[in-house]
Amino acid sequence: AQSVTQLDSHVSVSEGTPVLLRCNYSSSYSPSLFWYVQHPNKGLQLLLKYTSAATLVKGINGFEAEFKKSETSFHLTKPSAHMSDAAEYFCVAHPPGGSYIPTFGRGTSLIVHP
Amino acid sequence: EPEVTQTPSHQVTQMGQEVILRCVPISNHLYFYWYRQILGQKVEFLVSFYNNEISEKSEIFDDQFSVERPDGSNFTLKIRSTKLEDSAMYFCASTFNRGTYGYTFGSGTRLTVV
Repeated sequence: AQSVTQLDSHVSVSEGTPVLLRCNYSSSYSPSLFWYVQHPNKGLQLLLKYTSAATLVKGINGFEAEFKKSETSFHLTKPSAHMSDAAEYFCVAHPPGGSYIPTFGRGTSLIVHP
Repeated sequence: EPEVTQTPSHQVTQMGQEVILRCVPISNHLYFYWYRQILGQKVEFLVSFYNNEISEKSEIFDDQFSVERPDGSNFTLKIRSTKLEDSAMYFCASTFNRGTYGYTFGSGTRLTVV
């Protein structure tokens, strides 16, 4: 069985400062990993994905994430937060082959202060 | 950019009533999904649908739930006899390739059972 742990339920940053949203996965194999963003009253939008190619993945809106197998982590970062980044962020794991039922983390609410 | 469309955006129903949530997936996608997010909780997988049949379903997806693709365009989720605990945001998603490269989500239907 696999699990996804988002270590922080809320992260608060000031505009212009770096963002770090943490995600750890637990799996007996290397899953595909994704970050989605959910703005209020909107659906989930794919930010970026890791599918066993480059371990540093760049996504939309200046976000990137690094897959570290030794740490079973896939943390999301952005060098400089913008007010429009305030949203809920979900880390998601897809198992390779067979069942394609993904596992969602609980989500991290990013709060950006002016 | 193609979108997944869900209607209605908000539905209020009385306990015990049947509801149908509607989704129009992206036209060339082959796999269709329903997810649920109870307020304050994580996103949960309900069911996946491919080639006009259910391919996978979670424990949540019991006999009260059913899905249908009646006309090659719409993808519906029916809850036969709603319970208070069915109150949640329901997301439809579609993908071309079983989710390996991520899903496209709709903006959700907020179901409130009173």
